[in-house]
Amino acid sequence: AQSVTQLGSHVSVSEGALVLLRCNYSSSVPPYLFWYVQYPNQGLQLLLKYTSAATLVKGINGFEAEFKKSETSFHLTKPSAHMSDAAEYFCAVSDLGGNEKLTFGTGTRLTIIP
Amino acid sequence: DAGITQSPRHKVTETGTPVTLRCHQTENHRYMYWYRQDPGHGLRLIHYSYGVKDTDKGEVSDGYSVSRSKTEDFLLTLESATSSQTSVYFCATVAGPISTDTQYFGPGTRLTVL
Repeated sequence: AQSVTQLGSHVSVSEGALVLLRCNYSSSVPPYLFWYVQYPNQGLQLLLKYTSAATLVKGINGFEAEFKKSETSFHLTKPSAHMSDAAEYFCAVSDLGGNEKLTFGTGTRLTIIP
Repeated sequence: DAGITQSPRHKVTETGTPVTLRCHQTENHRYMYWYRQDPGHGLRLIHYSYGVKDTDKGEVSDGYSVSRSKTEDFLLTLESATSSQTSVYFCATVAGPISTDTQYFGPGTRLTVL
């Protein structure tokens, strides 16, 4: 079964600093990978997804992620953090067995320091 | 926003009582999902549906049942609620294959079992 590991349940960065949220996957074949964001008291919404096209994927709100097969990673970055980026971020992997399911990581809560 | 509503949004109930949560979508999406979200666990799949009357179990299905008699509605029933089922429940839908299409989430239902 596919799985993802998010390193760091809480990350704090200063406003204007680089945001780096880590995600590693386990899969014997290149998977489809996703980043979702959850703002307080809301459901999740898609930030970006990797579906075997370009390895550098650009998403909404200035976020991007790079698929690195050699490192089995799909880390999320943003060059300059904004206060509005404070949220919880989830990495997810698609089950390639045709079961139409996503497996989510445990999430990383991002805090922005003014 | 894929026109997903969940009802009720908040519910407090007692141990041993049955509870039904409703998910309603207006986009005619084929796939529907129920997740629960708990601190430290991220989102875990309870049950999902790939069409009317076609459902399957997720990783945490014990104590839950689902029904989908119409495309737009997906019901989650806790047969006899327990305190361990206190959680935030999210419904999600996907139009097409989850490996490539975006999963849209509802606003969530906060359930407390006393």
